[in-house]
Amino acid sequence: RKEVEQDPGPFNVPEGATVAFNCTYSNSASQSFFWYRQDCRKEPKLLMSVYSSGNEDGRFTAQLNRASQYISLLIRDSKLSDSATYLCVVNAGNTPLVFGKGTRLSVIA
Amino acid sequence: DAMVIQNPRYQVTQFGKPVTLSCSQTLNHNVMYWYQQKSSQAPKLLFHYYDKDFNNEADTPDNFQSRRPNTSFCFLDIRSPGLGDAAMYLCATRLGADDEQYFGPGTRLTVT
Repeated sequence: RKEVEQDPGPFNVPEGATVAFNCTYSNSASQSFFWYRQDCRKEPKLLMSVYSSGNEDGRFTAQLNRASQYISLLIRDSKLSDSATYLCVVNAGNTPLVFGKGTRLSVIA
Repeated sequence: DAMVIQNPRYQVTQFGKPVTLSCSQTLNHNVMYWYQQKSSQAPKLLFHYYDKDFNNEADTPDNFQSRRPNTSFCFLDIRSPGLGDAAMYLCATRLGADDEQYFGPGTRLTVT
């Protein structure tokens, strides 16, 4: 089983749609969780950290379920500019971050 | 202001000709990483440093070496690049165990 698994994508959605990405991780000792966004031919950039209580930043909501070892990202009212690859990232303490393969999102006008 | 800087942004090298990629950071982070990323794949960790302590991933080819002469700078040396080494090489830094990683813009390596 891979350490971090994500929905395979690609997701093609119309502007204004709500889209959800899922991610599962295998290491139960994982402590920190992040969603990164990566645009084509650019470096990954932090979108948001994921906290146990869940967190929201504008149109983006991230949730964590430790019991199921599951992380989600919800994007409401999708914009064209949301088109990118979304990487689920997990960390088990003082070790390098582990990246999922990413889910590609295309928002269509 | 750029916090993690990579030079060059684009590098073309010939098959078998050694190449060095550089990374510098203004964040004073102890941890630095080198990743290789190919199209539609996750970044693959090559090695990382906790301060001066070097950590090599088990599946990183011997062809890849790294140097970190001080906190701010880190280098990736590819001794004999093959066609399969063409990729984006990403440098990243991190302050501590629970913190996010900050990535540089990457160096896109082409091997001819």
